[in-house]
Amino acid sequence: EAGVAQSPRYKIIEKRQSVAFWCNPISGHATLYWYQQILGQGPKLLIQFQNNGVVDDSQLPKDRFSAERLKGVDSTLKIQPAKLEDSAVYLCASSLVGGGQFFAKNIQYFGAGTRLSVL
Amino acid sequence: DAKTTQPPSMDCAEGRAANLPCNHSTISGNEYVYWYRQIHSQGPQYIIHGLKNNETNEMASLIITEDRKSSTLILPHATLRDTAVYYCIVRVRGTDSWGKLQFGAGTQVVVTP
Repeated sequence: EAGVAQSPRYKIIEKRQSVAFWCNPISGHATLYWYQQILGQGPKLLIQFQNNGVVDDSQLPKDRFSAERLKGVDSTLKIQPAKLEDSAVYLCASSLVGGGQFFAKNIQYFGAGTRLSVL
Repeated sequence: DAKTTQPPSMDCAEGRAANLPCNHSTISGNEYVYWYRQIHSQGPQYIIHGLKNNETNEMASLIITEDRKSSTLILPHATLRDTAVYYCIVRVRGTDSWGKLQFGAGTQVVVTP
């Protein structure tokens, strides 16, 4: 079974530029997550999709970050304009189900991430 | 939300059992304990989870104390490939029950030959 695919693996940009990351979840997984991982810290959830809809974006800096999940499959995360503090690894994860009564069985599978360096 | 406390680092000899502790003294009755690990330059990988009973799978065993205030992840025969950061996470059940994962800093485990 194919895992979560992310691209690109690495990206270097200058501050104030824009950047986009792409994620293809495991086939059939309804829930998709984007995490930000700053060096030396654990991943932090930015946004969670259930099919096409957003169920949690409380930690997404909405003035510069945006995400979409078209047709409930692939997703893109965009940063515009980028700041120095956005340098991090951006991880995408997917799970078969989201929350509710099945949340205990919600195993999240992660991609390898995109390492972003903002200069 | 229940928080977890883990030692920042620990070493383990190859072939020996690795016992990773985690404290979660404020855990609620309906919150699960999850363990993930993250090998360098990879995304986190699910290991195991449990509510109150001990659990075992092909990767590890999870021992949860009777009062549920702490747990131990056991890697029975550590190999060099088990070198990673291990995260103990209490599954947060929000008002919408989406149960997001909140990662701490984890424990850096180094397995030595």
